[in-house]
Amino acid sequence: EPEVTQTPSHQVTQMGQEVILRCVPISNHLYFYWYRQILGQKVEFLVSFYNNEISEKSEIFDDQFSVERPDGSNFTLKIRSTKLEDSAMYFCASSPDQSYGYTFGSGTRLTVV
Amino acid sequence: SQQGEEDPQALSIQEGENATMNCSYKTSINNLQWYRQNSGRGLVHLILIRSNEREKHSGRLRVTLDTSKKSSSLLITASRAADTASYFCATDELDTGRRALTFGSGTRLQVQP
Repeated sequence: EPEVTQTPSHQVTQMGQEVILRCVPISNHLYFYWYRQILGQKVEFLVSFYNNEISEKSEIFDDQFSVERPDGSNFTLKIRSTKLEDSAMYFCASSPDQSYGYTFGSGTRLTVV
Repeated sequence: SQQGEEDPQALSIQEGENATMNCSYKTSINNLQWYRQNSGRGLVHLILIRSNEREKHSGRLRVTLDTSKKSSSLLITASRAADTASYFCATDELDTGRRALTFGSGTRLQVQP
């Protein structure tokens, strides 16, 4: 069964450093998403991406965040200058259409120290 | 106000019993989805029910949707220890125009062997 692949599985970074989280969505899916889950809290929407541009973003997705699809397969989330409160599990997801279920990756656990 | 709130927050049952989880939401929706998350892992799509549907089945899962009450229920019949996980409902939000899914806080289900 097709999978969404996320790397790395765990990233530790110093406060103020830039991090790039990587995702390979399912190849025939058209919509891509980033969500985050702070430990013990809700899964929060960050951004959705379609046709090589952001289609929606939440209030969490401020200027410190950016997304890119640098080639035909990867989908990346960049955090420019990490803060302690950015520590969370970051999940990538993809779907063939907005009205279908999402396939999630296993997540990247980001720890900012 | 929160879109997609599940109750109960936690549920503990014996193997073989049925588990019922409820979800309430605030806005009009196109569809409502249920996901499962094992501890520290990614979310797995279980079932999607569209706003013009009232009930849907998938294996041991039964989902109902009452758009007049803005509520949904997920029933897992003949539960197994392997069903132990957190279960989340998720919806789009027609009233705000948000197409990406907003997740609830989840119900933690413990199935005792």
